[in-house]
Amino acid sequence: AQTVTQSQPEMSVQEAETVTLSCTYDTSESNYYLFWYKQPPSRQMILVIRQEAYKQQNATENRFSVNFQKAAKSFSLKISDSQLGDTAMYFCAFISYSGAGSYQLTFGKGTKLSVIP
Amino acid sequence: GAVVSQHPSWVICKSGTSVKIECRSLDFQATTMFWYRQFPKQSLMLMATSNEGSKATYEQGVEKDKFLINHASLTLSTLTVTSAHPEDSSFYICSARDRRELTNEQFFGPGTRLTVL
Repeated sequence: AQTVTQSQPEMSVQEAETVTLSCTYDTSESNYYLFWYKQPPSRQMILVIRQEAYKQQNATENRFSVNFQKAAKSFSLKISDSQLGDTAMYFCAFISYSGAGSYQLTFGKGTKLSVIP
Repeated sequence: GAVVSQHPSWVICKSGTSVKIECRSLDFQATTMFWYRQFPKQSLMLMATSNEGSKATYEQGVEKDKFLINHASLTLSTLTVTSAHPEDSSFYICSARDRRELTNEQFFGPGTRLTVL
């Protein structure tokens, strides 16, 4: 079974500063996808960034980037130039094939990020 | 982009009644939809995987007779909470996988808040 661990329940960062959220996972599969989702107070899940395991290059999306260490099974999210709108719960997720054509997301417990003005 | 809607966004019902929640993919066809439950300040918990035209696959501990799932078309899945009780009060989120999407990304609905009195 796949597991996703987020060891930081809560974090805070000053506006315009940089913050890194940690995520580790456990799997025996060699091909998979990793995601970071953001859930603001509205509770709408929003995809922040995704990484294909077969790609060595770290994914980036504007102010968001990841540090993907496949051997260490680590997938951290770096947010640069933090903005007030970044305040949200952040979930690390792993997608795996569950058989019969289904792909299931396994979520970590989440990290609550607060951006302080 | 891929949009998933849920209806209703908020529902209050009396104990013992049934409630139906709809999940629609608005601009894509979804062969697979997922239903999650989220308690306050917790992560998303997968309840069931719904494939169009076939029976849903329920996660361990989820009562299939209590949480009826129907995925009758490529754009609509419904979750019916039967004989609801206060402990069923929660935030229910659906997601859908675009049949054309190679990354297996799931697109999330805005969620439905269920309160059972």
